[in-house]
Amino acid sequence: DIQMTQSPSSLSASVGDRVTITCRASQSISRYLNWYQQKPGKAPKLLIYAASSLQSGVPSRFSGSGSGTDFTLTINSLQPEDFATYYCQQSYSTLFAFGPGTKVDFK
Amino acid sequence: EVQLVESGGGLVQPGRSLRLSCAASGFTFDDYAMHWVRQPPGKGLEWVSGISWNSGNRGYADSVKGRFTISRDNAKNSLYLQMNSLRPEDTALYYCAKDKRGGNIGSPTFDYWGQGTLVTVSS
Repeated sequence: DIQMTQSPSSLSASVGDRVTITCRASQSISRYLNWYQQKPGKAPKLLIYAASSLQSGVPSRFSGSGSGTDFTLTINSLQPEDFATYYCQQSYSTLFAFGPGTKVDFK
Repeated sequence: EVQLVESGGGLVQPGRSLRLSCAASGFTFDDYAMHWVRQPPGKGLEWVSGISWNSGNRGYADSVKGRFTISRDNAKNSLYLQMNSLRPEDTALYYCAKDKRGGNIGSPTFDYWGQGTLVTVSS
């Protein structure tokens, strides 16, 4: 089974900061990697699919990169509505595991 | 507008059964694979099960294989999850999710989610 890890598990940031979250797969998953944002009490929201494709309606300050085992989600100029938990998810092989999440909170 | 509305959750004793439903609208239901994803209180996300557009292909997480059965009724635009032999570790918010990529479950990307239905397994 492919295991997903994320770092950091949490971070504190300010409005306007550039934030980078890393996701690592235990084996190569090519570019089969998605990113989701979840706010408290809400369902997850798809941000990035296929490692770097921006989902329709998602602000361009969100971007994704990477392939193989190492991936990055970057938020340029963090906005108040971006404080949330972010999950990566591999869609390469069955079990389609999610990472444990990275919580972004206010510094 | 795509809408997914789950129902059927509740409090159930260990070993008992529960059937979840998800009513879909706003898209051509039988064009897409559908999935269940769960989230224990205060914890992360876990893919539970997926079903292809024509029910020809189904997949399950190891943690539920043999106990849960996913099904769909395209005439009713509905997705189901039959959960048998429930365990306390099945306690979670269960989300219904639409697959962005199309009718097969092979590489799921979840572009729309319901609000979830809470299942609590406890004596």
